[in-house]
Amino acid sequence: DVKVTQSSRYLVKRTGEKVFLECVQDMDHENMFWYRQDPGLGLRLIYFSYDVKMKEKGDIPEGYSVSREKKERFSLILESASTNQTSMYLCATALADSYEQYFGPGTRLTVT
Amino acid sequence: SQQGEEDPQALSIQEGENATMNCSYKTSINNLQWYRQNSGRGLVHLILIRSNEREKHSGRLRVTLDTSKKSSSLLITASRAADTASYFCATDASYLRPGGYQKVTFGTGTKLQVIP
Repeated sequence: DVKVTQSSRYLVKRTGEKVFLECVQDMDHENMFWYRQDPGLGLRLIYFSYDVKMKEKGDIPEGYSVSREKKERFSLILESASTNQTSMYLCATALADSYEQYFGPGTRLTVT
Repeated sequence: SQQGEEDPQALSIQEGENATMNCSYKTSINNLQWYRQNSGRGLVHLILIRSNEREKHSGRLRVTLDTSKKSSSLLITASRAADTASYFCATDASYLRPGGYQKVTFGTGTKLQVIP
Protein backbone atom coordinates (compact mmCIF):
# COMPACT_ATOMS: atom_id res chain seq x y z
CA ASP A 1 0.00 0.00 0.00
CA VAL A 2 1.09 3.55 -0.68
CA LYS A 3 1.99 5.40 2.44
CA VAL A 4 1.97 9.17 2.50
CA THR A 5 2.95 10.81 5.76
CA GLN A 6 2.83 14.42 6.83
CA SER A 7 5.07 15.86 9.50
CA SER A 8 2.34 17.10 11.84
CA ARG A 9 -1.39 16.53 12.31
CA TYR A 10 -1.90 19.82 14.12
CA LEU A 11 0.25 22.92 14.07
CA VAL A 12 -0.17 26.35 15.67
CA LYS A 13 2.03 29.20 14.47
CA ARG A 14 2.16 32.92 14.93
CA THR A 15 1.68 35.53 12.23
CA GLY A 16 4.95 36.24 10.43
CA GLU A 17 6.60 32.93 11.29
CA LYS A 18 8.17 30.78 8.60
CA VAL A 19 6.36 27.45 8.46
CA PHE A 20 7.51 24.18 6.95
CA LEU A 21 5.09 21.38 6.16
CA GLU A 22 6.70 18.17 5.07
CA CYS A 23 5.31 15.26 3.10
CA VAL A 24 7.04 11.92 2.59
CA GLN A 25 5.92 9.03 0.38
CA ASP A 26 7.32 5.54 0.16
CA MET A 27 6.05 4.38 -3.22
CA ASP A 28 8.41 6.03 -5.69
CA HIS A 29 5.64 8.17 -7.19
CA GLU A 30 6.79 10.85 -9.60
CA ASN A 31 4.03 13.37 -8.90
CA MET A 32 3.43 15.10 -5.60
CA PHE A 33 0.87 17.77 -4.73
CA TRP A 34 -0.03 20.23 -2.02
CA TYR A 35 -3.67 21.26 -1.53
CA ARG A 36 -5.44 23.33 1.00
CA GLN A 37 -8.98 22.52 2.05
CA ASP A 38 -11.39 25.11 3.38
CA PRO A 39 -15.12 24.76 4.16
CA GLY A 40 -17.26 25.51 1.14
CA LEU A 41 -14.25 25.79 -1.17
CA GLY A 42 -13.23 22.16 -1.48
CA LEU A 43 -9.62 21.32 -2.30
CA ARG A 44 -7.52 23.90 -4.05
CA LEU A 45 -4.17 23.07 -5.59
CA ILE A 46 -1.26 25.15 -4.29
CA TYR A 47 1.73 23.56 -6.06
CA PHE A 48 2.67 20.29 -7.61
CA SER A 49 5.90 18.63 -8.62
CA TYR A 50 6.40 16.04 -11.36
CA ASP A 51 10.07 15.34 -10.72
CA VAL A 52 12.90 16.19 -8.36
CA LYS A 53 13.55 19.94 -8.38
CA MET A 54 10.62 20.44 -10.79
CA LYS A 55 7.55 22.32 -9.68
CA GLU A 56 4.52 24.04 -11.12
CA LYS A 57 2.15 26.53 -9.62
CA GLY A 58 -1.35 25.45 -8.94
CA ASP A 59 -4.40 27.65 -8.55
CA ILE A 60 -3.39 29.49 -5.38
CA PRO A 61 0.43 29.66 -5.07
CA GLU A 62 0.60 33.16 -3.59
CA GLY A 63 2.25 33.19 -0.18
CA TYR A 64 3.66 29.68 -0.60
CA SER A 65 6.76 28.05 -1.99
CA VAL A 66 7.82 24.42 -2.31
CA SER A 67 10.93 22.33 -2.33
CA ARG A 68 11.57 18.88 -3.73
CA GLU A 69 15.20 17.88 -3.28
CA LYS A 70 14.51 14.15 -3.14
CA LYS A 71 11.87 12.13 -4.95
CA GLU A 72 10.13 10.96 -1.79
CA ARG A 73 9.92 14.33 -0.04
CA PHE A 74 7.90 17.43 -0.93
CA SER A 75 7.90 20.41 1.38
CA LEU A 76 5.47 23.32 1.51
CA ILE A 77 6.84 26.56 2.89
CA LEU A 78 4.90 29.52 4.19
CA GLU A 79 7.49 32.28 4.08
CA SER A 80 5.59 34.57 6.46
CA ALA A 81 2.46 32.96 7.84
CA SER A 82 -0.73 34.97 7.87
CA THR A 83 -4.08 34.30 9.50
CA ASN A 84 -5.73 33.67 6.12
CA GLN A 85 -3.44 30.66 5.72
CA THR A 86 -5.21 28.91 8.58
CA SER A 87 -6.47 25.78 6.86
CA MET A 88 -6.20 22.03 6.42
CA TYR A 89 -3.21 21.17 4.22
CA LEU A 90 -3.24 17.92 2.30
CA CYS A 91 -0.35 16.29 0.49
CA ALA A 92 -0.98 13.78 -2.30
CA THR A 93 1.06 11.63 -4.67
CA ALA A 94 0.44 9.90 -7.98
CA LEU A 95 2.32 7.85 -10.51
CA ALA A 96 3.27 9.69 -13.71
CA ASP A 97 0.34 9.70 -16.15
CA SER A 98 -1.98 8.34 -13.47
CA TYR A 99 -5.02 10.22 -12.29
CA GLU A 100 -5.48 8.37 -9.00
CA GLN A 101 -4.05 10.33 -6.11
CA TYR A 102 -3.01 9.03 -2.72
CA PHE A 103 -3.43 11.42 0.17
CA GLY A 104 -1.69 11.92 3.47
CA PRO A 105 -3.70 12.42 6.68
CA GLY A 106 -3.50 16.21 6.50
CA THR A 107 -2.06 18.96 8.69
CA ARG A 108 -4.46 21.34 10.36
CA LEU A 109 -2.57 24.62 10.60
CA THR A 110 -3.76 27.50 12.75
CA VAL A 111 -2.05 30.85 12.41
CA THR A 112 -2.76 33.23 15.28
CA SER B 1 -13.80 28.28 -10.61
CA GLN B 2 -14.43 24.76 -9.39
CA GLN B 3 -14.90 22.21 -12.15
CA GLY B 4 -16.99 19.77 -10.15
CA GLU B 5 -20.00 20.69 -8.08
CA GLU B 6 -21.58 18.06 -5.89
CA ASP B 7 -25.23 17.91 -5.02
CA PRO B 8 -26.62 17.74 -2.42
CA GLN B 9 -24.21 19.46 -0.06
CA ALA B 10 -25.40 17.26 2.77
CA LEU B 11 -27.40 14.04 2.99
CA SER B 12 -28.70 12.13 5.99
CA ILE B 13 -30.10 8.60 5.63
CA GLN B 14 -30.84 5.54 7.74
CA GLU B 15 -28.52 2.56 7.71
CA GLY B 16 -29.53 0.12 4.99
CA GLU B 17 -30.89 2.80 2.66
CA ASN B 18 -29.24 3.79 -0.59
CA ALA B 19 -27.38 7.09 -0.93
CA THR B 20 -27.09 8.98 -4.21
CA MET B 21 -24.80 11.92 -4.81
CA ASN B 22 -24.42 13.90 -7.99
CA CYS B 23 -21.57 15.79 -9.59
CA SER B 24 -21.83 18.30 -12.40
CA TYR B 25 -18.91 19.77 -14.29
CA LYS B 26 -18.42 22.46 -16.91
CA THR B 27 -15.81 21.44 -19.48
CA SER B 28 -14.84 18.27 -21.34
CA ILE B 29 -13.08 15.65 -19.26
CA ASN B 30 -10.92 12.59 -19.71
CA ASN B 31 -11.88 10.91 -16.46
CA LEU B 32 -13.99 11.46 -13.40
CA GLN B 33 -13.07 10.11 -10.00
CA TRP B 34 -14.83 9.81 -6.68
CA TYR B 35 -13.03 10.11 -3.36
CA ARG B 36 -14.13 9.66 0.25
CA GLN B 37 -12.89 11.68 3.21
CA ASN B 38 -13.54 10.60 6.75
CA SER B 39 -13.78 13.40 9.27
CA GLY B 40 -10.53 15.35 9.53
CA ARG B 41 -8.53 12.90 7.44
CA GLY B 42 -7.04 12.64 3.96
CA LEU B 43 -9.01 11.56 0.92
CA VAL B 44 -9.24 7.96 -0.26
CA HIS B 45 -9.75 7.08 -3.91
CA LEU B 46 -12.94 5.09 -4.55
CA ILE B 47 -13.43 4.71 -8.28
CA LEU B 48 -12.43 6.19 -11.64
CA ILE B 49 -14.68 6.26 -14.68
CA ARG B 50 -13.36 7.17 -18.11
CA SER B 51 -15.16 9.54 -20.46
CA ASN B 52 -16.04 6.67 -22.83
CA GLU B 53 -17.65 4.62 -20.02
CA ARG B 54 -21.24 5.03 -18.89
CA GLU B 55 -21.35 2.95 -15.74
CA LYS B 56 -18.93 1.31 -13.36
CA HIS B 57 -19.33 -0.83 -10.25
CA SER B 58 -17.08 -1.50 -7.29
CA GLY B 59 -18.59 -3.48 -4.43
CA ARG B 60 -21.55 -1.45 -3.11
CA LEU B 61 -20.60 1.54 -5.26
CA ARG B 62 -22.14 2.31 -8.62
CA VAL B 63 -20.98 5.28 -10.67
CA THR B 64 -22.65 6.60 -13.80
CA LEU B 65 -21.35 9.19 -16.21
CA ASP B 66 -23.37 11.20 -18.70
CA THR B 67 -20.98 13.28 -20.78
CA SER B 68 -23.82 14.88 -22.74
CA LYS B 69 -25.18 16.34 -19.50
CA LYS B 70 -21.72 16.76 -17.96
CA SER B 71 -22.79 14.95 -14.85
CA SER B 72 -22.01 11.87 -12.78
CA SER B 73 -23.71 10.13 -9.91
CA LEU B 74 -22.38 7.96 -7.11
CA LEU B 75 -24.76 5.42 -5.62
CA ILE B 76 -23.90 3.65 -2.37
CA THR B 77 -26.23 0.71 -1.83
CA ALA B 78 -27.20 -0.74 1.55
CA SER B 79 -25.39 2.03 3.40
CA ARG B 80 -23.59 1.44 6.69
CA ALA B 81 -22.66 3.77 9.53
CA ALA B 82 -19.04 3.44 8.37
CA ASP B 83 -20.01 5.13 5.09
CA THR B 84 -20.46 8.39 7.00
CA ALA B 85 -17.96 10.70 5.31
CA SER B 86 -17.64 13.47 2.73
CA TYR B 87 -17.58 12.43 -0.90
CA PHE B 88 -15.80 14.40 -3.61
CA CYS B 89 -15.79 14.14 -7.35
CA ALA B 90 -12.62 15.05 -9.22
CA THR B 91 -12.27 15.73 -12.91
CA ASP B 92 -9.32 16.12 -15.22
CA ALA B 93 -9.35 18.20 -18.35
CA SER B 94 -8.66 16.90 -21.83
CA TYR B 95 -5.34 18.63 -22.30
CA LEU B 96 -1.87 17.37 -21.51
CA ARG B 97 0.34 19.38 -19.19
CA PRO B 98 4.14 19.23 -19.04
CA GLY B 99 5.47 16.23 -17.17
CA GLY B 100 2.58 14.00 -18.24
CA TYR B 101 0.35 15.18 -15.46
CA GLN B 102 -3.21 16.25 -16.11
CA LYS B 103 -4.55 18.65 -13.57
CA VAL B 104 -7.27 17.18 -11.36
CA THR B 105 -9.90 19.53 -9.98
CA PHE B 106 -11.93 18.59 -6.92
CA GLY B 107 -15.46 19.65 -6.11
CA THR B 108 -16.69 20.94 -2.76
CA GLY B 109 -18.10 17.61 -1.62
CA THR B 110 -21.27 16.00 -0.30
CA LYS B 111 -21.38 15.29 3.41
CA LEU B 112 -23.14 11.97 4.00
CA GLN B 113 -24.41 10.92 7.40
CA VAL B 114 -25.64 7.35 7.84
CA ILE B 115 -27.68 6.94 11.01
CA PRO B 116 -27.44 3.52 12.68
